[in-house]
Amino acid sequence: GENVEQHPSTLSVQEGDSAVIKCTYSDSASNYFPWYKQELGKGPQLIIDIRSNVGEKKDQRIAVTLNKTAKHFSLHITETQPEDSAVYFCAASIRGYKLSFGAGTTVTVRA
Amino acid sequence: DVKVTQSSRYLVKRTGEKVFLECVQDMDHENMFWYRQDPGLGLRLIYFSYDVKMKEKGDIPEGYSVSREKKERFSLILESASTNQTSMYLCASGTSDSPLHFGNGTRLTVT
Repeated sequence: GENVEQHPSTLSVQEGDSAVIKCTYSDSASNYFPWYKQELGKGPQLIIDIRSNVGEKKDQRIAVTLNKTAKHFSLHITETQPEDSAVYFCAASIRGYKLSFGAGTTVTVRA
Repeated sequence: DVKVTQSSRYLVKRTGEKVFLECVQDMDHENMFWYRQDPGLGLRLIYFSYDVKMKEKGDIPEGYSVSREKKERFSLILESASTNQTSMYLCASGTSDSPLHFGNGTRLTVT
């Protein structure tokens, strides 16, 4: 099955700085790549997603890039704020709904 | 707004007990999923269902079974709970064209 690796496992950034999380996937047939944010005591929530026919997607301070050749994709958060502190998961799927997740990145934004 | 409701936030059960985790979604989604979340391992798929009475094994189905008698409800069953099943369990629902929506999780402790 699909194998998704995510790095780093923890990330501490100063408020206002950028944060970058990187993921690689194993199956070149994967075509859907969502990112989820999980706050304490809650389930993961989708923050942005990208499909394999697109190289980059932006939504305000969040962007995702995809390199199909290298089989990796990244999440970029600019101008980080304390409310960005959470656990972030990347995922990949071949069919649109059966997701394989990375191990997660705990992001801490220091005030 | 999609709502995925898991019946219990916390459960404590004894080794050998039969355990039922219940999940209900209100968006008429065809697909429902049970994931297990453990630190450093991310979210791992236990079982999923793409229609009433249909089920497919995920990556770690051993020790679990599921039931989907109605479209909105998906139950995870631990036939004989063991301590290595102590974990956070997350239910999700979606369609092949929409992102997954997660519940807030059930933290199960087996003693």
